Amino acid sequence: GDSVTQMEGPVTLSEEAFLTINCTYTATGYPSLFWYVQYPGEGLQLLLKATKADDKGSNKGFEATYRKETTSFHLEKGSVQVSDSAVYFCALSSGGSYIPTFGRGTSLIVHP
Amino acid sequence: GAVVSQHPSRVICKSGTSVKIECRSLDFQATTMFWYRQFPKQSLMLMATSNEGSKATYEQGVEKDKFLINHASLTLSTLTVTSAHPEDSSFYICSARPGLANQDTQYFGPGTRLTVL
Repeated sequence: GDSVTQMEGPVTLSEEAFLTINCTYTATGYPSLFWYVQYPGEGLQLLLKATKADDKGSNKGFEATYRKETTSFHLEKGSVQVSDSAVYFCALSSGGSYIPTFGRGTSLIVHP
Repeated sequence: GAVVSQHPSRVICKSGTSVKIECRSLDFQATTMFWYRQFPKQSLMLMATSNEGSKATYEQGVEKDKFLINHASLTLSTLTVTSAHPEDSSFYICSARPGLANQDTQYFGPGTRLTVL
């Protein structure tokens, strides 16, 4: 079945540092890939998505590129802020179900 | 953006009692709502999918008699944990899909922390 593997957290960075959160997936066919973010006390929000190979999703300074050859969708940001502290979930949907399969989430803590 | 609320945000109950969790879409109509369960440091697990006015579809391994789902209107779905036990303690999250036009869009509620003593 489909699965998503994310790096374990927490990831702790200083403000303005470069961020990478790794995500790899296993799926049949050609899934759509997503990153969701959950700020403290709030629901998950869609951060970005990509629907086909080599697509790059971007939002709020975050980027992720759909790499079919490595089955990866790593999340990056060039300069993180304290306000980026949250839990980040990588997810995929495939087979026309439109119901995402989530990774375990990676907690990001950014210190001033 | 679209907002989904959950109530209560946190509940503590005694073993053997039933607990109802509400999920509401505040500014849109949700043809489909989903219920997830999240254990500490683990991913969200889909429990069931509910469409307004019809019976919920449960994922394999989820007891439908234990987790009762009612999607009575286009803005409200409820999850009732019946005869709760300590192993039911978890974080329950709902999400709502606004319609058929954009099927990979879901809006998530903030979650409900259930603790069964």
